[in-house]
Amino acid sequence: DIQMTQSPASLSASLGETVTIECRASEDIYNGLAWYQQKPGKSPQLLIYNANSLHTGVPSRFSGSGSGTQYSLKINSLQSEDVASYFCQQYYDYPWTFGGGTKLELK
Amino acid sequence: EVQLVESGGGLVQPGRSLKLSCAASGFTFSDYAMAWVRQAPKKGLEWVATIIYDGSSTYYRDSVKGRFTISRDNAKSTLYLQMDSLRSEDTATYYCARHPLGASFDYWGQGVMVTVSS
Repeated sequence: DIQMTQSPASLSASLGETVTIECRASEDIYNGLAWYQQKPGKSPQLLIYNANSLHTGVPSRFSGSGSGTQYSLKINSLQSEDVASYFCQQYYDYPWTFGGGTKLELK
Repeated sequence: EVQLVESGGGLVQPGRSLKLSCAASGFTFSDYAMAWVRQAPKKGLEWVATIIYDGSSTYYRDSVKGRFTISRDNAKSTLYLQMDSLRSEDTATYYCARHPLGASFDYWGQGVMVTVSS
């Protein structure tokens, strides 16, 4: 199985700040990577697919990048509504696996 | 608007069975593969099972193979998860998700809680 390792596990940032979350795959996943946002008490929502494509309706302050085994999610100009947990997921190979998550809080 | 609404969760004793349902609307259900993803309390996300658009192929994570069965009724736009021989480690919120094969889980339901406890 492909292991997905996210860092950091938790993060505290101020409004307006730029935040970056990293995700590393145990082997090359050829950009088969998605990022999800899960707000407290809610279901996950797709943010980014194919490593760098924005899902419908997602604000442009979110962006994804990376290749091979290393990927990142960047949030520009952090807003209060961005407080959430973020998960990466690979869909290059079965079984489909998620990273452990990053909990983002406001400082 | 894509909508996925799960039902059927609850408290069940270890070794017993439970069947979850997911009613889909807002898209052509029979065109898409569908999946179940779960999340244990305060834990991360874990893919459980996927069924392709016509039900002819299914995929399971190892820990549920032989115990869980994913199925679908395209006439009713409904996805199911039959869970047998339940264990305490199956306790989680179960989400129904649209899962185009070779792609991400692009829409999710609100989730349904399953608690396995005596």
